Amino acid sequence: KQEVTQIPAALSVPEGENLVLNCSFTDSAIYNLQWFRQDPGKGLTSLLLIQSSQREQTSGRLNASLDKSSGRSTLYIAASQPGDSATYLCAALNSGGSNYKLTFGKGTLLTVNP
Amino acid sequence: SAVISQKPSRDICQRGTSLTIQCQVDSQVTMMFWYRQQPGQSLTLIATANQGSEATYESGFVIDKFPISRPNLTFSTLTVSNMSPEDSSIYLCSVGQGWAEQFFGPGTRLTVL
Repeated sequence: KQEVTQIPAALSVPEGENLVLNCSFTDSAIYNLQWFRQDPGKGLTSLLLIQSSQREQTSGRLNASLDKSSGRSTLYIAASQPGDSATYLCAALNSGGSNYKLTFGKGTLLTVNP
Repeated sequence: SAVISQKPSRDICQRGTSLTIQCQVDSQVTMMFWYRQQPGQSLTLIATANQGSEATYESGFVIDKFPISRPNLTFSTLTVSNMSPEDSSIYLCSVGQGWAEQFFGPGTRLTVL
C-alpha cells in the first residue's frame, strides 16, 4: 500500500525567499508523481507532473525533482510571492489492480509574508 | 488539459437525507475518479468510474453508501446516501487517461447537520 508523506506540514517565509517542499513515498513502482496547489475551500490546480522516467520538470518559478529509487520528490519555489500562499500537495500514481490510483500526502501549508 | 465543473458547489443537508453531486467534463475521458477530503485531511480516493462498467470502490467505501453513475464519457454522479455529520467533507471529481496527468474539479463542500 502506497503511503505519501510531506514535510514540513507548514512553512512560513518572507517574500522573495527560495524554498523547498519535500515529499516521500514508500512504493517506488510509480507511474508518475504530481504536485498540486490547493487554495482554501477550493479544488486542486495541477502544477507539475513528473513521469517515472524523468528526473525533473520546470514551470516558471517552480522546479520539481524525482528520485524514484529513494522514494523522494522535492518542489522548489524560487523568489516566493504572497500569491504563492496555499497548500501544496504531492501525489503518487500507482497501479491499483485494473485501475490507476493516486495517493496523496497531507500537504504543506505555505505562507509567504509580504 | 480538461475543464471540469461540479454541481452543487456547496450544500447544507440534514442527516438521513441523500445528496447527488454532478461532475461534467468538457471532453471525453475514459477514467473519472471521486475523492473525499475531510476537514483538515488530504484527499482519499472513493472510487474509479469507467464508462460502461461498474465503479470500482476503494477499501472502506461501499456502493450502498456512495452509488456512482457514469452514463457517458463526459458525465458522472456521486450520491452520498443516508448522510451523517461524519460525511461533511469536500467531494472532488477528477479525470485522467491512464498514467497521464489528472485534473480536478472545483469540489462540492458538503455540511451535514
